[in-house]
Amino acid sequence: EADIYQTPRYLVIGTGKKITLECSQTMGHDKMYWYQQDPGMELHLIHYSYGVNSTEKGDLSSESTVSRIRTEHFPLTLESARPSHTSQYLCASSPPGRRGYTFGSGTRLTVV
Amino acid sequence: QKEVEQDPGPLSVPEGAIVSLNCTYSNSAFQYFMWYRQYSRKGPELLMYTYSSGNKEDGRFTAQVDKSSKYISLFIRDSQPSDSATYLCARGADRGSTLGRLYFGRGTQLTVWP
Repeated sequence: EADIYQTPRYLVIGTGKKITLECSQTMGHDKMYWYQQDPGMELHLIHYSYGVNSTEKGDLSSESTVSRIRTEHFPLTLESARPSHTSQYLCASSPPGRRGYTFGSGTRLTVV
Repeated sequence: QKEVEQDPGPLSVPEGAIVSLNCTYSNSAFQYFMWYRQYSRKGPELLMYTYSSGNKEDGRFTAQVDKSSKYISLFIRDSQPSDSATYLCARGADRGSTLGRLYFGRGTQLTVWP
Protein backbone atom coordinates (compact mmCIF):
# COMPACT_ATOMS: atom_id res chain seq x y z
CA GLU A 1 0.00 0.00 0.00
CA ALA A 2 1.24 3.44 -0.91
CA ASP A 3 2.06 5.78 1.95
CA ILE A 4 2.97 8.53 -0.47
CA TYR A 5 0.43 9.79 -2.92
CA GLN A 6 0.83 11.71 -6.11
CA THR A 7 -1.92 13.34 -8.10
CA PRO A 8 -2.75 13.45 -10.87
CA ARG A 9 -1.33 10.20 -12.28
CA TYR A 10 -1.54 11.46 -15.84
CA LEU A 11 -1.85 15.02 -17.12
CA VAL A 12 -2.00 16.38 -20.65
CA ILE A 13 -1.94 20.14 -20.76
CA GLY A 14 -1.38 22.95 -23.23
CA THR A 15 1.71 25.12 -23.45
CA GLY A 16 1.70 28.13 -21.16
CA LYS A 17 -0.63 26.69 -18.54
CA LYS A 18 0.20 26.76 -14.85
CA ILE A 19 0.16 23.36 -13.19
CA THR A 20 0.71 21.97 -9.71
CA LEU A 21 1.69 18.39 -9.09
CA GLU A 22 0.58 17.19 -5.69
CA CYS A 23 2.54 14.94 -3.33
CA SER A 24 1.49 13.88 0.16
CA GLN A 25 2.91 11.35 2.59
CA THR A 26 1.49 9.93 5.78
CA MET A 27 4.71 8.63 7.33
CA GLY A 28 5.83 11.83 9.05
CA HIS A 29 9.08 11.92 7.08
CA ASP A 30 11.00 15.18 7.21
CA LYS A 31 12.90 14.59 3.98
CA MET A 32 11.07 14.79 0.68
CA TYR A 33 12.28 14.85 -2.91
CA TRP A 34 11.13 15.46 -6.45
CA TYR A 35 12.82 13.52 -9.26
CA GLN A 36 12.39 13.72 -12.99
CA GLN A 37 12.55 10.45 -14.91
CA ASP A 38 12.83 10.09 -18.67
CA PRO A 39 13.00 6.72 -20.46
CA GLY A 40 16.44 5.12 -20.23
CA MET A 41 17.85 7.99 -18.22
CA GLU A 42 18.93 8.42 -14.61
CA LEU A 43 16.53 9.84 -12.09
CA HIS A 44 17.43 13.49 -11.77
CA LEU A 45 16.84 15.32 -8.51
CA ILE A 46 15.08 18.62 -9.15
CA HIS A 47 14.04 19.69 -5.64
CA TYR A 48 14.37 18.48 -2.08
CA SER A 49 13.29 19.46 1.38
CA TYR A 50 14.64 18.51 4.78
CA GLY A 51 11.64 19.86 6.68
CA VAL A 52 8.96 22.50 6.90
CA ASN A 53 9.97 25.79 5.27
CA SER A 54 13.15 24.19 3.94
CA THR A 55 13.52 23.71 0.17
CA GLU A 56 16.53 23.41 -2.10
CA LYS A 57 17.11 23.02 -5.81
CA GLY A 58 18.57 19.74 -6.90
CA ASP A 59 21.12 18.80 -9.49
CA LEU A 60 18.98 19.32 -12.56
CA SER A 61 18.11 22.85 -13.57
CA SER A 62 14.37 23.20 -13.38
CA GLU A 63 11.86 25.94 -14.03
CA SER A 64 9.60 24.52 -11.36
CA THR A 65 9.17 25.65 -7.79
CA VAL A 66 8.20 23.81 -4.62
CA SER A 67 6.86 24.66 -1.20
CA ARG A 68 6.85 22.86 2.15
CA ILE A 69 4.34 24.45 4.48
CA ARG A 70 3.30 21.18 6.10
CA THR A 71 5.40 18.10 6.77
CA GLU A 72 3.13 15.85 4.79
CA HIS A 73 2.71 18.00 1.70
CA PHE A 74 5.30 18.89 -0.97
CA PRO A 75 3.69 20.27 -4.14
CA LEU A 76 5.61 21.13 -7.29
CA THR A 77 4.47 24.02 -9.51
CA LEU A 78 5.22 24.92 -13.10
CA GLU A 79 4.18 28.50 -13.77
CA SER A 80 4.18 28.12 -17.55
CA ALA A 81 4.33 24.62 -18.96
CA ARG A 82 6.37 23.92 -22.08
CA PRO A 83 6.77 20.79 -24.23
CA SER A 84 10.30 20.38 -22.76
CA HIS A 85 8.61 19.72 -19.39
CA THR A 86 7.09 16.53 -20.73
CA SER A 87 8.38 13.80 -18.41
CA GLN A 88 7.54 11.59 -15.46
CA TYR A 89 7.79 13.30 -12.08
CA LEU A 90 8.42 11.16 -9.02
CA CYS A 91 7.98 12.28 -5.44
CA ALA A 92 9.74 10.47 -2.61
CA SER A 93 10.29 10.73 1.12
CA SER A 94 12.74 9.19 3.56
CA PRO A 95 13.24 8.85 7.31
CA PRO A 96 16.49 9.89 9.05
CA GLY A 97 19.68 7.94 8.55
CA ARG A 98 20.70 5.37 6.02
CA ARG A 99 17.25 4.52 4.91
CA GLY A 100 15.77 4.16 1.50
CA TYR A 101 13.20 6.29 -0.16
CA THR A 102 9.53 5.56 -0.48
CA PHE A 103 8.36 6.69 -3.89
CA GLY A 104 4.96 7.67 -5.12
CA SER A 105 3.59 6.21 -8.33
CA GLY A 106 4.53 9.29 -10.29
CA THR A 107 2.81 11.87 -12.45
CA ARG A 108 3.25 11.46 -16.17
CA LEU A 109 3.07 14.95 -17.65
CA THR A 110 2.62 15.70 -21.33
CA VAL A 111 2.69 19.30 -22.51
CA VAL A 112 1.33 19.82 -25.99
CA GLN B 1 31.61 11.81 -15.17
CA LYS B 2 28.44 10.06 -14.12
CA GLU B 3 28.27 9.08 -10.46
CA VAL B 4 26.78 5.65 -11.21
CA GLU B 5 27.13 3.73 -14.42
CA GLN B 6 24.55 1.08 -15.19
CA ASP B 7 23.99 -0.83 -18.42
CA PRO B 8 20.39 -0.10 -19.45
CA GLY B 9 19.98 -3.42 -21.29
CA PRO B 10 17.41 -4.53 -22.19
CA LEU B 11 18.06 -7.95 -20.74
CA SER B 12 15.81 -10.86 -21.70
CA VAL B 13 16.11 -14.26 -20.01
CA PRO B 14 14.02 -17.44 -19.76
CA GLU B 15 12.20 -18.31 -16.58
CA GLY B 16 14.48 -20.04 -14.08
CA ALA B 17 17.66 -18.32 -15.26
CA ILE B 18 20.13 -16.63 -12.95
CA VAL B 19 20.21 -12.90 -13.63
CA SER B 20 23.18 -10.64 -12.93
CA LEU B 21 22.68 -6.88 -12.86
CA ASN B 22 25.67 -4.61 -12.39
CA CYS B 23 26.66 -1.04 -11.60
CA THR B 24 29.92 0.78 -11.14
CA TYR B 25 30.45 3.98 -9.20
CA SER B 26 33.20 6.53 -9.15
CA ASN B 27 33.22 8.14 -5.71
CA SER B 28 34.73 6.24 -2.79
CA ALA B 29 32.85 8.43 -0.32
CA PHE B 30 29.68 6.47 -0.75
CA GLN B 31 28.99 4.13 2.11
CA TYR B 32 25.75 2.45 1.28
CA PHE B 33 24.10 1.02 -1.76
CA MET B 34 20.58 0.09 -2.70
CA TRP B 35 18.68 -1.67 -5.41
CA TYR B 36 15.25 -0.52 -6.46
CA ARG B 37 12.74 -2.32 -8.65
CA GLN B 38 10.35 -0.36 -10.82
CA TYR B 39 7.39 -1.93 -12.54
CA SER B 40 5.88 -0.24 -15.55
CA ARG B 41 3.80 2.84 -14.66
CA LYS B 42 4.85 2.60 -11.01
CA GLY B 43 7.38 4.34 -8.79
CA PRO B 44 10.58 2.54 -7.74
CA GLU B 45 10.38 0.35 -4.65
CA LEU B 46 13.29 -0.54 -2.39
CA LEU B 47 14.42 -4.10 -3.00
CA MET B 48 17.67 -4.45 -1.09
CA TYR B 49 20.30 -2.34 0.60
CA THR B 50 23.81 -3.00 1.81
CA TYR B 51 26.28 -0.94 3.76
CA SER B 52 29.49 -2.91 3.42
CA SER B 53 31.50 -5.02 1.08
CA GLY B 54 30.42 -8.58 0.62
CA ASN B 55 27.13 -10.33 -0.02
CA LYS B 56 23.67 -9.86 1.39
CA GLU B 57 20.98 -12.39 0.63
CA ASP B 58 17.21 -12.09 0.76
CA GLY B 59 15.32 -15.03 -0.70
CA ARG B 60 16.10 -15.28 -4.40
CA PHE B 61 17.99 -11.98 -4.37
CA THR B 62 21.65 -11.39 -3.50
CA ALA B 63 23.27 -7.97 -3.41
CA GLN B 64 27.03 -7.86 -3.71
CA VAL B 65 29.37 -4.91 -3.15
CA ASP B 66 33.06 -4.78 -3.98
CA LYS B 67 34.33 -1.45 -2.68
CA SER B 68 37.87 -2.05 -3.88
CA SER B 69 36.70 -2.13 -7.49
CA LYS B 70 33.66 0.13 -6.95
CA TYR B 71 31.36 -2.50 -8.33
CA ILE B 72 27.88 -3.47 -7.14
CA SER B 73 25.75 -6.36 -8.36
CA LEU B 74 22.32 -7.83 -7.90
CA PHE B 75 21.78 -11.53 -8.57
CA ILE B 76 18.34 -13.03 -9.05
CA ARG B 77 18.09 -16.81 -8.78
CA ASP B 78 15.28 -18.84 -10.32
CA SER B 79 13.98 -15.77 -12.11
CA GLN B 80 10.22 -15.48 -12.59
CA PRO B 81 8.09 -13.55 -15.11
CA SER B 82 7.00 -11.40 -12.16
CA ASP B 83 10.62 -10.20 -11.88
CA SER B 84 10.21 -8.39 -15.20
CA ALA B 85 10.86 -4.76 -14.32
CA THR B 86 13.50 -2.07 -14.42
CA TYR B 87 16.17 -2.38 -11.73
CA LEU B 88 17.93 0.75 -10.51
CA CYS B 89 21.06 0.85 -8.40
CA ALA B 90 21.57 3.73 -6.03
CA ARG B 91 24.23 4.91 -3.64
CA GLY B 92 24.36 7.33 -0.77
CA ALA B 93 26.81 8.99 1.57
CA ASP B 94 26.78 9.80 5.26
CA ARG B 95 28.81 12.94 5.04
CA GLY B 96 28.83 16.33 3.39
CA SER B 97 26.22 18.06 1.32
CA THR B 98 24.88 14.80 -0.01
CA LEU B 99 23.73 13.64 3.42
CA GLY B 100 20.66 11.49 3.06
CA ARG B 101 20.46 11.87 -0.69
CA LEU B 102 20.58 8.99 -3.12
CA TYR B 103 22.07 8.99 -6.60
CA PHE B 104 20.57 6.58 -9.09
CA GLY B 105 21.77 4.72 -12.14
CA ARG B 106 19.71 4.78 -15.33
CA GLY B 107 18.23 1.36 -14.64
CA THR B 108 18.41 -2.01 -16.40
CA GLN B 109 15.24 -3.26 -18.05
CA LEU B 110 14.73 -6.98 -17.40
CA THR B 111 12.24 -9.29 -19.10
CA VAL B 112 11.79 -12.87 -17.89
CA TRP B 113 9.82 -14.91 -20.39
CA PRO B 114 7.96 -18.11 -19.50
